Amino acid sequence: DSGVTQTPKHLITATGQRVTLRCSPRSGDLSVYWYQQSLDQGLQFLIQYYNGEERAKGNILERFSAQQFPDLHSELNLSSLELGDSALYFCASSARGDGTNEKLFFGSGTQLSVL
Amino acid sequence: SQQGEEDPQALSIQEGENATMNCSYKTSINNLQWYRQNSGRGLVHLILIRSNEREKHSGRLRVTLDTSKKSSSLLITASRAADTASYFCATDAGYGGSQGNLIFGKGTKLSVKP
Repeated sequence: DSGVTQTPKHLITATGQRVTLRCSPRSGDLSVYWYQQSLDQGLQFLIQYYNGEERAKGNILERFSAQQFPDLHSELNLSSLELGDSALYFCASSARGDGTNEKLFFGSGTQLSVL
Repeated sequence: SQQGEEDPQALSIQEGENATMNCSYKTSINNLQWYRQNSGRGLVHLILIRSNEREKHSGRLRVTLDTSKKSSSLLITASRAADTASYFCATDAGYGGSQGNLIFGKGTKLSVKP
């Protein structure tokens, strides 16, 4: 158990809909990272937050947004969903927000299916 | 864009054999990390090797780093069926400084047959 909690584990929705994925980082970790994993694109970095502030942005679509709350949990909002958004979405956390120099702890992911 | 690329894409071996996976990357890095992912589960950190290190060991794992060739290898010795998983290398984005986000390769899928 990594200590990172993601909910829900599975989500099935229709095109055009909006969903929210939730992540609670490991106790004491200040930084949260969101990744999208699909068969064709592999593991893509989406966005990183550190202590409530956006720190780095990757290949995140404009239809997607995220935030980190004062209690450090994070939410990833996906809107106007398309079939191609079907993927496994991972949240990871780290202590200092320096993911290149410290290990990341991953949650078990949210499997999103857009029908 | 991918920074690290693993090779081979898939590897099938018998229990007890050694497994070697390679990773090549494009730009200079601070560190390189290896992660493991069991089917459909979250990634688990295995080892971090710094750019000034050439080799690092952790149990049955041995990682090497050649910054001149921009490559790394992960060796799993005396493999077990439980080692069946996908293995990913991860590096920083190469932008310089500490942006904190890791870029992952597409992974090597290792299958260890009992």
